[in-house]
Amino acid sequence: AQTVTQSQPEMSVQEAETVTLSCTYDTSENNYYLFWYKQPPSRQMILVIRQEAYKQQNATENRFSVNFQKAAKSFSLKISDSQLGDTAMYFCAFSGGNQFYFGTGTSLTVIP
Amino acid sequence: KAGVTQTPRYLIKTRGQQVTLSCSPISGHRSVSWYQQTPGQGLQFLFEYFSETQRNKGNFPGRFSGRQFSNSRSEMNVSTLELGDSALYLCASSFWVQETQYFGPGTRLLVL
Repeated sequence: AQTVTQSQPEMSVQEAETVTLSCTYDTSENNYYLFWYKQPPSRQMILVIRQEAYKQQNATENRFSVNFQKAAKSFSLKISDSQLGDTAMYFCAFSGGNQFYFGTGTSLTVIP
Repeated sequence: KAGVTQTPRYLIKTRGQQVTLSCSPISGHRSVSWYQQTPGQGLQFLFEYFSETQRNKGNFPGRFSGRQFSNSRSEMNVSTLELGDSALYLCASSFWVQETQYFGPGTRLLVL
């Protein structure tokens, strides 16, 4: 069975600073996808970034980038130049074996 | 393209009643998944439908059921409501199984 672990329940960062959210996963699958989703106070779940396991290059989306370490089964999210609007719950997710798995989330607060 | 829509957005029911929630996926998406989100349990997978067939089911009692129609719209039903069913119910659609899931705004259910 696949598992997704987010070991940081809460984090905070100063506005304009950089923060990294951690995620590890366990799987025996070789082909899979990894995602970071953001859920702001509005509760709308928004896709932040996606990484295909077969790609060695780390995905980036503007201020958001990932550090994908396949051998270590690690998938961290780096947010650069943090903004107040980044305050949200962040979920790491794994898709493989025809099913989606979500971590327990990291609550990120950006401090002005 | 229009996003995933869920109706109703808010719902108040009393114990013992039943409720039906609706989800319309993004046009062209054939997979619909349902999740229950509560503060204590986080995001829990309910079930997934693809081409009108239930492909996966989470660990929920039989009071929770769902179905998918030929136009990919999906409904979930909860019978004999309990106080613990109070939650945000999220629907997500994807083009294919294991593909990126896009979420609706959710239905907030309160059971009194």
